[in-house]
Amino acid sequence: QVQLVQSGAEVKKPGASVKVSCKVSGYTLTELSMHWVRQAPGKGLEWMGGFDPEDGETIYAQKFQGRVTMTEDTSTDTAYMELSSLRSEDTAVYYCATVVPAAYWFDPWGQGTLVTVSS
Amino acid sequence: EIVLTQSPGTLSLSPGERATLSCRASQSVSSSYLAWYQQKPGQAPRLLIYGASSRATGIPDRFSGSGSGTDFTLTISRLEPEDFAVYYCQQYGSPGYTFGQGTKLEIK
Repeated sequence: QVQLVQSGAEVKKPGASVKVSCKVSGYTLTELSMHWVRQAPGKGLEWMGGFDPEDGETIYAQKFQGRVTMTEDTSTDTAYMELSSLRSEDTAVYYCATVVPAAYWFDPWGQGTLVTVSS
Repeated sequence: EIVLTQSPGTLSLSPGERATLSCRASQSVSSSYLAWYQQKPGQAPRLLIYGASSRATGIPDRFSGSGSGTDFTLTISRLEPEDFAVYYCQQYGSPGYTFGQGTKLEIK
């Protein structure tokens, strides 16, 4: 059974970068496609990007292209999401979530990481 | 990009009643690519339905999904107190995934 454990809450100033981690257990990262979804306070879910096995590359939502980088360390089964040039609108809970091969849905999800952007 | 529109925005019902939640896509979506999630306050979303109509592991059979093309429905046959939450539909389509804006199911 896949379990995802994310890093703790972060407080950042506008213009800074944040890097959130997501540790996988129960499976290896190479067996899964890792994605990132965020949720601003009181708002809905927003897909940011993730690994597309059909293309063999990481794809990003257009809104975040140029500002987000998703990487993986297969030696530790840990995925990372780095978001740069932070602004107050980036204050949100960031979730990692997995897609298993031949699936098109997210299951399971990490517990979420609150990123607060404030001066 | 495919846009998913959920209705109603808020649904007020009592325990024991039947809930019907709608998800409409701006263009046709393969049923294989449509999922539903439940989210409670302070928790991560939980997968309920995948492939438009298949229940995820451990999901009670009072939850069911249906639909095709541009219109999909999540039905909860008899509401239990723990079912009051926010529900999201989600689709996969090049280039990526999108979610509906959510339906809040509240106790009447």
